[in-house]
Amino acid sequence: DAGVIQSPRHEVTEMGQEVTLRCKPISGHNSLFWYRQTMMRGLELLIYFNNNVPIDDSGMPEDRFSAKMPNASFSTLKIQPSEPRDSAVYFCASRQTSTGELFFGEGSRLTVL
Amino acid sequence: DQQVKQNSPSLSVQEGRISILNCDYTNSMFDYFLWYKKYPAEGPTFLISISSIKDKNEDGRFTVFLNKSAKHLSLHIVPSQPGDSAVYFCAAVDSSYKLIFGSGTRLLVRP
Repeated sequence: DAGVIQSPRHEVTEMGQEVTLRCKPISGHNSLFWYRQTMMRGLELLIYFNNNVPIDDSGMPEDRFSAKMPNASFSTLKIQPSEPRDSAVYFCASRQTSTGELFFGEGSRLTVL
Repeated sequence: DQQVKQNSPSLSVQEGRISILNCDYTNSMFDYFLWYKKYPAEGPTFLISISSIKDKNEDGRFTVFLNKSAKHLSLHIVPSQPGDSAVYFCAAVDSSYKLIFGSGTRLLVRP
């Protein structure tokens, strides 16, 4: 299996621009998570989907952030408009069952200038 | 307020010695805990886990200890190897099966 696939690996953009991060979970996995890694807070959970349905989005920082999962094999995290404080590494992760191991993608490093 | 805390941002140990990474949590309802390891430019990978019905789980050089009364867990690596140098994240599973991570501890194993 190819594992969790994220794109782009690196994104540099200017403040105010829209950013879209993409994730393909492992086939057969029914839960998908978006995390953000920063020096200060480590791995913060942004949103969690189960069977394509958002279960908990309490970690989404503000209305500028939105996430979708239109089908079992694809999810997006969108930031509009982006701000410099959004600069971080964003990880997507998936798992097969509610208590199974969480598999992470390699991350998307976002820099907002 | 962070529910899972790793108060040591970094740790440096000599090769062959024991590495002890610590983690504290605040929610007594957490019943499953995991450690993940992360190398630069890679995603975190699962290392070892422990259920709240146990107080110890061992896998090769890695052992996780859980002290429920103190809401504390630790990861022991012995003997430590240079390849163990990475960031280690502690995580807890909450009642909705979310994984809540700590801020990580950067381990450096010196040759």
